[in-house]
Amino acid sequence: AQSVTQLGSHVSVSEGALVLLRCNYSSSVPPYLFWYVQYPNQGLQLLLKYTSAATLVKGINGFEAEFKKSETSFHLTKPSAHMSDAAEYFCAVSEISGANNLFFGTGTRLTVIP
Amino acid sequence: NAGVTQTPKFQVLKTGQSMTLQCAQDMNHNSMYWYRQDPGMGLRLIYYSASEGTTDKGEVPNGYNVSRLNKREFSLRLESAAPSQTSVYFCASSLIGASTDTQYFGPGTRLTVL
Repeated sequence: AQSVTQLGSHVSVSEGALVLLRCNYSSSVPPYLFWYVQYPNQGLQLLLKYTSAATLVKGINGFEAEFKKSETSFHLTKPSAHMSDAAEYFCAVSEISGANNLFFGTGTRLTVIP
Repeated sequence: NAGVTQTPKFQVLKTGQSMTLQCAQDMNHNSMYWYRQDPGMGLRLIYYSASEGTTDKGEVPNGYNVSRLNKREFSLRLESAAPSQTSVYFCASSLIGASTDTQYFGPGTRLTVL
């Protein structure tokens, strides 16, 4: 079965600093990969996704992620954190063949310090 | 365009009681999903419906039943609630259920079973 690991359940950064949230997947066949964001008391919203086109994927709100097959990683970055980025971020994976069933990581809560 | 709506937003049940969580989408999507979110565990798929008239088990289906009432609506039923079912429940939908599809999430239902 597919799985993803998110290192760090909590990450704190200062406003204006680089945001780096880590995600590693376990699969012999590179899957499709997604980053979702959840603001307090809301549902999840797609930030970006990798579907085997470009390995560097740009998403909403200035976020981007790079698919690295050699490292089985799909880390999320943003050059300069904003207070409004404070939220919980989930990495998810779906298999290339089969239904659109997502397997989520355990999430990383991002705190932005003013 | 409301997207994915869920009712109720909050519910408290006693052990053994039953209830149905309602979900509707107005995006003309074919596929719908039910997830539960528990602290430190990310989201886990309970059931999904690839298309109208079909339903399939996900990762954690025990204790739940679902009905795809029509293309718009997908309900989740707890026949005899247990404290282990205390969780936040999210409904989601996607266009055709392909592995690359974006899933769109509702705002969630927070359920407490005493």
